[in-house]
Amino acid sequence: AQSVSQHNHHVILSEAASLELGCNYSYGGTVNLFWYVQSPGQGLQLLLKYFSGDTLVQGIKGFEAEFKRSQSSFNLRKPSVQWSDTAEYFCAVTGFQKLVFGTGTRLLVSP
Amino acid sequence: DTGVSQDPRHKITKRGQNVTFRCDPISEHNRLYWYRQTLGQGPEFLTYFQNEAQLEKSRLLSDRFSAERPKGSFSTLEIQRTEQGDSAMYLCASRPPMTSGKHNEQFFGPGTRLTVL
Repeated sequence: AQSVSQHNHHVILSEAASLELGCNYSYGGTVNLFWYVQSPGQGLQLLLKYFSGDTLVQGIKGFEAEFKRSQSSFNLRKPSVQWSDTAEYFCAVTGFQKLVFGTGTRLLVSP
Repeated sequence: DTGVSQDPRHKITKRGQNVTFRCDPISEHNRLYWYRQTLGQGPEFLTYFQNEAQLEKSRLLSDRFSAERPKGSFSTLEIQRTEQGDSAMYLCASRPPMTSGKHNEQFFGPGTRLTVL
């Protein structure tokens, strides 16, 4: 069965600090990997995705993620966070149809 | 495109009442998904449609839950005899056909937040 683990449940950073959120997945086949962001009371916005090819993917808002097959990981990074990045971040995996999400990481960026 | 829309955005109901939510996908998206998100958790898959056919249902979808997509466009999710444990955000997503360059992406609506008193 597919599963996703996000080990950082809450992260607090100051503006301009660097960010790395961990994501490990379990899936036996070809995976598609995603990071979504959710602001309070809102739906999910896609930050970036990995299907194949270059293992370092660039997304919106200055985010990037690196796929490491050997570690079954897809960690999200941003070199310098802003107050507006305060939100909840979800890693997700899909084989073909449904998305399987992690429990999320709540990021608070203090000005 | 105008994005995925959901109605209502918020619903407060008393235990035992029936509720129905509506999702309008992005036009020409033939696949539609429903997810449920409880507080502090990630979204969990409930069911999905390809055109009007319901092709997969999660074990989370008890007999009190029913979803339809009668003409392959909008979808409804009905919960009968609501329970307090049904309180959650119900998210809808749509996905373009395989011929699209974005066929692997799901586009989410803003969700319907249900509170059962």
